[in-house]
Amino acid sequence: SAVISQKPSRDICQRGTSLTIQCQVDSQVTMMFWYRQQPGQSLTLIATANQGSEATYESGFVIDKFPISRPNLTFSTLTVSNMSPEDSSIYLCSVARGPLGDGYTFGSGTRLTVV
Amino acid sequence: DAKTTQPNSMESNEEEPVHLPCNHSTISGTDYIHWYRQLPSQGPEYVIHGLTSNVNNRMASLAIAEDRKSSTLILHRATLRDAAVYYCIPTGGFKTIFGAGTRLFVKA
Repeated sequence: SAVISQKPSRDICQRGTSLTIQCQVDSQVTMMFWYRQQPGQSLTLIATANQGSEATYESGFVIDKFPISRPNLTFSTLTVSNMSPEDSSIYLCSVARGPLGDGYTFGSGTRLTVV
Repeated sequence: DAKTTQPNSMESNEEEPVHLPCNHSTISGTDYIHWYRQLPSQGPEYVIHGLTSNVNNRMASLAIAEDRKSSTLILHRATLRDAAVYYCIPTGGFKTIFGAGTRLFVKA
């Protein structure tokens, strides 16, 4: 299955600034998924990113706050904009392991702390 | 998406089998049942999946009820490295929606 490299692994940022998280996959994939995991919580899907089209956001997440780029079939970025302490979370990307139904592979995550 | 019910936590002794239950009574006929686990400070890791028949792989076994409204993840011999949060996720589409999962504690 695909191997995901996510950068940075962690960061501490000032409130009001933005951070861009990169997700690199070692094979071409149609869809990439971005998740947020708040402290002590489960994962919440932020959006689905397809190459060549705008990302599809889940309820409660908007493009202005979490712009996503998907320039090719192996790469995506998630930006957390105008950060506040409430954005302190782990952000993860995910891709399919294979055909539909075979499950997903996750990156190791970006641990973001906003001060 | 089918709703799931899992115990908040379970405890096991090392080298003993562990049966992690999941109730998914609203599962649709085409939903696969996926199990993931998340070790501390890591992203979720795929464990196993199935549709109707029981499944085995090197990590675990998955027993699916005949009516598919429940399933059980079986770790045959728990080790300390198996301490993690285990998520049961029925899904028929492209999205993987996580519930709260079961935190497994393994005692030496």
